[in-house]
Amino acid sequence: GIQVEQSPPDLILQEGANSTLRCNFSDSVNNLQWFHQNPWGQLINLFYIPSGTKQNGRLSATTVATERYSLLYISSSQTTDSGVYFCAVGLYNNNDMRFGAGTRLTVKP
Amino acid sequence: NAGVTQTPKFQVLKTGQSMTLQCAQDMNHNSMYWYRQDPGMGLRLIYYSASEGTTDKGEVPNGYNVSRLNKREFSLRLESAAPSQTSVYFCASSPVWTANSPLHFGNGTRLTVT
Repeated sequence: GIQVEQSPPDLILQEGANSTLRCNFSDSVNNLQWFHQNPWGQLINLFYIPSGTKQNGRLSATTVATERYSLLYISSSQTTDSGVYFCAVGLYNNNDMRFGAGTRLTVKP
Repeated sequence: NAGVTQTPKFQVLKTGQSMTLQCAQDMNHNSMYWYRQDPGMGLRLIYYSASEGTTDKGEVPNGYNVSRLNKREFSLRLESAAPSQTSVYFCASSPVWTANSPLHFGNGTRLTVT
């Protein structure tokens, strides 16, 4: 099956710093989504981005489908950005996706 | 507007016991999902229901059964719990089954099987 690798596994930042999280995948995909799991366990959908670039406030994401990777940028990080960020990919135009193991982000005040 | 509601929040079972995890959504979504989350492994899809009246296996269906009771409710049943089923279980829903249809997750059920 499709392999999804996220890096780095852990990241510690000072508040205000910028960061880039990476998601590599082993096959061409039709579905790629980024999720944030906060420290209380809640999962929030951040982006649907099988290709191209999207921005939402301080967060943006870019997927280069031909090179099989996606990047999530967090600018001017805040303590509320802490948690685990998951990339999930799918081969077909449906929501049967495979999740990466996640990047655990800690933002210190 | 509650979104996706899961019950219970916590459960401890002995090996061989059975239980049903309940999930309900009030967003009029067509598709519903059950995932499990294990440390270091992200989320894995157990079963899904693309629309009312249909259910299909996901990546890790063994040991589980599901029922799409109506459009709102999707339950997950463990017939004979095993320690390997110790995990955090998430229910999710989406407007439709197609790709560009964001998943909305419940808050999870933490299950321990001893």
